[in-house]
Amino acid sequence: QKEVEQDPGPLSVPEGAIVSLNCTYSNSAFQYFMWYRQYSRKGPELLMYTYSSGNKEDGRFTAQVDKSSKYISLFIRDSQPSDSATYLCAMSAGKLIFGSGTRLLVRP
Amino acid sequence: DGGITQSPKYLFRKEGQNVTLSCEQNLNHDAMYWYRQDPGQGLRLIYYSQIVNDFQKGDIAEGYSVSREKKESFPLTVTSAQKNPTAFYLCASTPQEAAGQPQHFGDGTRLSIL
Repeated sequence: QKEVEQDPGPLSVPEGAIVSLNCTYSNSAFQYFMWYRQYSRKGPELLMYTYSSGNKEDGRFTAQVDKSSKYISLFIRDSQPSDSATYLCAMSAGKLIFGSGTRLLVRP
Repeated sequence: DGGITQSPKYLFRKEGQNVTLSCEQNLNHDAMYWYRQDPGQGLRLIYYSQIVNDFQKGDIAEGYSVSREKKESFPLTVTSAQKNPTAFYLCASTPQEAAGQPQHFGDGTRLSIL
């Protein structure tokens, strides 16, 4: 079993939809949680960073961490075609461990 | 603008050939990393370096080698011993090698076999 599980998608939604992306994990020692966005043929860029449990909001993006369920989520409100990318979750207790990424397509 | 520059963007390797991927950063970061990305497998750590003249193997170091002679440079050599080198290679850095540090990435090098 992988330490971090992420549905590969693709997830296809119409423009303006609310998108929910999720990761589950098995290591209860993880304390730092991140979401990266990766456009095709580009490197990942940091989107959200959360320490321990709770919510964090930045514009249209909200990151949630539920340590009791070992589950993290990224919500995108009012999704735009420019949000079409692969979203990678990552988490750390020492070494950074990445999920395999979910491909998102936002249709105009 | 500070960042990480990877070159070349595309690289082709012949059988039995070693190739070197370049990674340069001007962020003044101490720690640098090399990852391999394959479809559906996420990022796998090849090597990392906490400081100049020091580096450690990651999860999939076999068939790869690195050097860290300067703070800003961390080249990766894919040797002929790596039998399946076709992948997207990503270089990253953090201010220090410490838990919880988000990593900054370059835009990758795509390596293919001729």
